Order: sequence, then C-alpha cells, then structure tokens
Amino acid sequence: AQSVTQLGSHVSVSEGALVLLRCNYSSSVPPYLFWYVQYPNQGLQLLLKYTTGATLVKGINGFEAEFKKSETSFHLTKPSAHMSDAAEYFCAVSDVRGNQFYFGTGTSLTVIP
Amino acid sequence: EAGVAQSPRYKIIEKRQSVAFWCNPISGHATLYWYQQILGQGPKLLIQFQNNGVVDDSQLPKDRFSAERLKGVDSTLKIQPAKLEDSAVYLCASSLDRAVPRNGYTFGSGTRLTVV
Repeated sequence: AQSVTQLGSHVSVSEGALVLLRCNYSSSVPPYLFWYVQYPNQGLQLLLKYTTGATLVKGINGFEAEFKKSETSFHLTKPSAHMSDAAEYFCAVSDVRGNQFYFGTGTSLTVIP
Repeated sequence: EAGVAQSPRYKIIEKRQSVAFWCNPISGHATLYWYQQILGQGPKLLIQFQNNGVVDDSQLPKDRFSAERLKGVDSTLKIQPAKLEDSAVYLCASSLDRAVPRNGYTFGSGTRLTVV
C-alpha cells in the first residue's frame, strides 16, 4: 500500500526566506506525485505534479519540487516566501494502478513578516 | 470551465441528527470522489463513483454514511445519525476518468460540518 509522510506539521519562515516542505513516500514503483495547497476555508488546489520525465517540476506561484527516486522524496521548495504563501500544503501519491490518491497529513506554512 | 460545486459551505448539527451534502462535478467528469478531512489530517477517501456505480467504498462507515449518484452526474453524501467525530470538512472531487489523471483531481471548496 502507498503511504506519504510529511515531516513537520508546522513550518515557519520569514518573508523572503527559502521555503522547504518535506515529503517522502513509500512505493515499490515510481508513482505519480502531487503537491496541493489549501487556503483557509477553501478546497485543494494543485500546485504541481510529477508523472514521468524531468525530475524537477515547476508549479504555480514559484513553487517547484524534485523527484528523487533514491531517496523516495518529493520535497517542495520556493526560493523566496511571500505572505500569500501561508496555507496548508499536502503531498499526495497515486497508487500503482492510478486509481486514487493517498494524502499526507499536511504541513501548515506560516510566513513571518 | 466551471469548477466542482458543493453545498452547503457550512453546517452545524447536533449529534444523532442527520445531514446531507451535495456535489455537482465538472461537466463530463465520469469519476466522482467524496473525501473526509478531519482537522489536522490529510483527506481520506470515503467513496468513489464511476458514472453512477460505486468503485470503492471500503472506507465508508456504512452503518451511518451513505452516498448516491443516481444519474451519474451530481451526488449526495448523507450521515445518519451523526456523531461528534464526524466533524470534518467533506470534499468532493471529480476527474474525467477512473485513473488518476496527470493533472490530478479537481476539488470543490468543501462543506465544513460541525457536530455538537
């Protein structure tokens, strides 16, 4: 079965600082990997995804993530945090058959002015 | 294109009462999902429909939860009777087909249920 681990349920960064949100997955074969963002009282919005090909993927709002098969990781980064980045971030992985998502428990990002 | 519509946005009920949520997926999306998101946790799949048939309801507490998608378009999720631990955000999502699409699912804004 698939599982996703997000290290750190709460992350605080200063405005302009690097954002690093960690995600590790367990899978016997490379799955599809996703990062979603959830703003307060809203649904989940897709930030970026990895399916095949280039392991460094770029998403919306300046975020990017790198698929590292050897480390079974898919960490999310952004060079410079903005106040509007404050939200809950979820890493998700699809199963081998691609039938459903398995979500991590989420990381709440706080941006300090 | 219009997104996934859900209503109501918020609902407060007393325990043992019943409640229903409604979801209208993106037009043409054959697959519809209901997720439960408890505070501090990631979304958990409750049920997955393909058109009007159930694909996966293994995590649906069937003694109190039910869902239907009679015409293969919109869907309702019902809880009867509600318990305190049902307090959560209920998210609906849809996709064109059954396999996880390369663009992921499209989620609605959710219904926040508070059981008191």
